[in-house]
Amino acid sequence: LAKTTQPISMDSYEGQEVNITCSHNNIATNDYITWYQQFPSQGPRFIIQGYKTKVTNEVASLFIPADRKSSTLSLPRVSLSDTAVYYCLNYGQNFVFGPGTRLSVLP
Amino acid sequence: GAGVSQSPSNKVTEKGKDVELRCDPISGHTALYWYRQRLGQGLEFLIYFQGNSAPDKSGLPSDRFSAERTGESVSTLTIQRTQQEDSAVYLCASSLGGDRRVQPQHFGDGTRLSIL
Repeated sequence: LAKTTQPISMDSYEGQEVNITCSHNNIATNDYITWYQQFPSQGPRFIIQGYKTKVTNEVASLFIPADRKSSTLSLPRVSLSDTAVYYCLNYGQNFVFGPGTRLSVLP
Repeated sequence: GAGVSQSPSNKVTEKGKDVELRCDPISGHTALYWYRQRLGQGLEFLIYFQGNSAPDKSGLPSDRFSAERTGESVSTLTIQRTQQEDSAVYLCASSLGGDRRVQPQHFGDGTRLSIL
């Protein structure tokens, strides 16, 4: 069963770069790694997805090492509005969203 | 464009009653998913539709839960004889067809269900 592990919470300050690392236990060969962001009272929102190496979009970067046993979401220069819960996911045979990482950005 | 729409946004009902939750996916999205999210917790997968068929019902917690989808569009999640432990936010998501392990999911804002 595909399972991910990530820190329960993180604190940061405005303007800093934040890196959230997720471990991907039993990731399947053809699984992609996907990250979502969730604000209170809203559904999760897709941030970024990758298979290996590095992917960058206008919001974040995603680093995946060659063995694909982990991934790191990098948020450059966070602001207060980035305070949210972040979920890493590799779908596998089940869509398992763990408890996520609660990021608090402080002024 | 329009996103995933769920109704009602809030539902309060008495224990033992049946409830029906509705999801309107993004037009053209053939895949549809239901999740449950208890307060302060992650998302719990319930069921997945590809078109009108449900190849994966593995997450439905009991036979009180059922879901259907018609016209490759609207889906309803029905909970019969509700219990207090059913209180949660029920989220619906849709995605393009093809390999569901690849396609990003687009979520609605959920229905907050409270069982008294």
